[in-house]
Amino acid sequence: AQSVTQLDSQVPVFEEAPVELRCNYSSSVSVYLFWYVQYPNQGLQLLLKYLSGSTLVESINGFEAEFNKSQTSFHLRKPSVHISDTAEYFCAVSETSGSRLTFGEGTQLTVNP
Amino acid sequence: GAGVSQSPSNKVTEKGKDVELRCDPISGHTALYWYRQSLGQGLEFLIYFQGNSAPDKSGLPSDRFSAERTGGSVSTLTIQRTQQEDSAVYLCASSLGQGAGNTEAFFGQGTRLTVV
Repeated sequence: AQSVTQLDSQVPVFEEAPVELRCNYSSSVSVYLFWYVQYPNQGLQLLLKYLSGSTLVESINGFEAEFNKSQTSFHLRKPSVHISDTAEYFCAVSETSGSRLTFGEGTQLTVNP
Repeated sequence: GAGVSQSPSNKVTEKGKDVELRCDPISGHTALYWYRQSLGQGLEFLIYFQGNSAPDKSGLPSDRFSAERTGGSVSTLTIQRTQQEDSAVYLCASSLGQGAGNTEAFFGQGTRLTVV
């Protein structure tokens, strides 16, 4: 069965600083990988996903994540964060054979002025 | 509908009572998930329905929890004899199904359950 570990529960940063939110997964088979974001008082929404092909995927608001199969990681990065990026970020995995979507514990990103 | 709809949005119930939470997935989505999100916790998987396959119930925390999905569409999560530790936000999500490109899960706004 697959599992996801998000190594940091809280990440405080200053505006315009770079950020990396770490995600490692465990699975014995091929996987799809996702990052979801939950803004304050809003529902979960997909930020970006890796299905196949290029290991570097990007979102429309400047985030990117790189699938590293050898390290079983899918870290999320942004070179310069905005206050509006303050949210909880969840990494998720599902096996390509068609299993359930398993989430990590979440990382609360707080961007301070 | 335009998105995943959950009802009620808020539910306060007395300890020991039964509750039913409803989820209307996006039309045409064959996969449906229930998760639980407690304060300061991640998303705890509860149950997963995929088409006509037997549901994956491995995340249900006790036999007080059950869920069904009628006609491959609407799903109801039932919690019997509620306990205070059941207080949480219950999230429903749906996706087109299996295979690359069909796995994006769309979430509802959740039902906030408070057991007093």
